[in-house]
Amino acid sequence: EAGVAQSPRYKIIEKRQSVAFWCNPISGHATLYWYQQILGQGPKLLIQFQNNGVVDDSQLPKDRFSAERLKGVDSTLKIQPAKLEDSAVYLCASSLDSGGNTDTQYFGPGTRLTVL
Amino acid sequence: SQKIEQNSEALNIQEGKTATLTCNYTNYSPAYLQWYRQDPGRGPVFLLLIRENEKEKRKERLKVTFDTTLKQSLFHITASQPADSATYLCALDSGNQGGKLIFGQGTELSVKP
Repeated sequence: EAGVAQSPRYKIIEKRQSVAFWCNPISGHATLYWYQQILGQGPKLLIQFQNNGVVDDSQLPKDRFSAERLKGVDSTLKIQPAKLEDSAVYLCASSLDSGGNTDTQYFGPGTRLTVL
Repeated sequence: SQKIEQNSEALNIQEGKTATLTCNYTNYSPAYLQWYRQDPGRGPVFLLLIRENEKEKRKERLKVTFDTTLKQSLFHITASQPADSATYLCALDSGNQGGKLIFGQGTELSVKP
């Protein structure tokens, strides 16, 4: 079974530039999550989708971050414009069922973003 | 607000010994708790889940305890091996529907041969 795929793996941009990350979840997984992991910290949930609807985006900085999940499969996360403090690893995860409380989350390798 | 604390200092142990990692939480009562392993440059990998009504859960050399009175979980690796070296994250359910997890900052474990 293929895992969660993410691209690119690394990205370096200047502040105020835009960047987009892509995630392809495990086939058949209804729920998709985007996390931000700053160095030395645990992952922080940015947004959660169930199929193509948003379940939770309470910690997404909506003035600069946006995400979509078209057709309930792949997802993109965009930052526009980027700030220095956005430097982090962006992790995508998916789970099989409806995002139930005990569903196992499967993580992708992440995209390491450096903002200069 | 909900707060999760893991040992901030790295844990260094000798091969064959038991590693014990701690996860403490405050300000709420999670229905369950999960432990993940994260290697450098990779995403977290799920290890174990324990529910609030379970005191202990085991999987091979791993054991997790959940003390809702102390608001603490302990994660044990017995007969540790250098391959167990990684960062270990605990994650608690947020109390909301939908499976949202709140992660601790992780503890780095180093097992020396």
